[in-house]
Amino acid sequence: EPEVTQTPSHQVTQMGQEVILRCVPISNHLYFYWYRQILGQKVEFLVSFYNNEISEKSEIFDDQFSVERPDGSNFTLKIRSTKLEDSAMYFCASRGGGGYTFGSGTRLTVV
Amino acid sequence: QQQVKQSPQSLIVQKGGISIINCAYENTAFDYFPWYQQFPGKGPALLIAIRPDVSEKKEGRFTISFNKSAKQFSLHIMDSQPGDSATYFCAASGARGDQGGKLIFGQGTELSVKP
Repeated sequence: EPEVTQTPSHQVTQMGQEVILRCVPISNHLYFYWYRQILGQKVEFLVSFYNNEISEKSEIFDDQFSVERPDGSNFTLKIRSTKLEDSAMYFCASRGGGGYTFGSGTRLTVV
Repeated sequence: QQQVKQSPQSLIVQKGGISIINCAYENTAFDYFPWYQQFPGKGPALLIAIRPDVSEKKEGRFTISFNKSAKQFSLHIMDSQPGDSATYFCAASGARGDQGGKLIFGQGTELSVKP
């Protein structure tokens, strides 16, 4: 069964540093998403991406965040200057005719 | 209006029992209502989903009941098993014909099935 692959599985970074979270969506999907889940809380929408541009973003997705699809397979989330409150699980998802598929997530810990 | 409210927050059920989790929404533009199962350290996995043109959908031991007029939907897990112990999230989306199609998640229900 096709999977969404995320790397790394766990990232520890110092406050103020830049991080890039990577995702390989399912190859024939056209819609890509990033979601965030703070420990013990619900999954929150960050951004959706379609046709090489952002189609929607949440209030959480401020100027510190950016997304990119640098080639035909990867989809990245960049946080320019991490804050302690950015510590969370970050999930990439892609959507096709059969619905959403989520990756296993990247646990980001900001210290 | 974008919220999806989920209850209960946690649920303990005996093996073989029925687990029931409820969700309510406000936005009538939502037209896709999935349930996700999440195990610790894993991403949400689609369990079952329904569109508002039907009132019930069943897949194996899992059933979604949908009440459009009340703007509520629920997940029923029949013959609950210890392996069903996980966190369950309801969600809603205006996915049809919508290029964005973001999912709005409920707060989650931690289900524990006791042997």
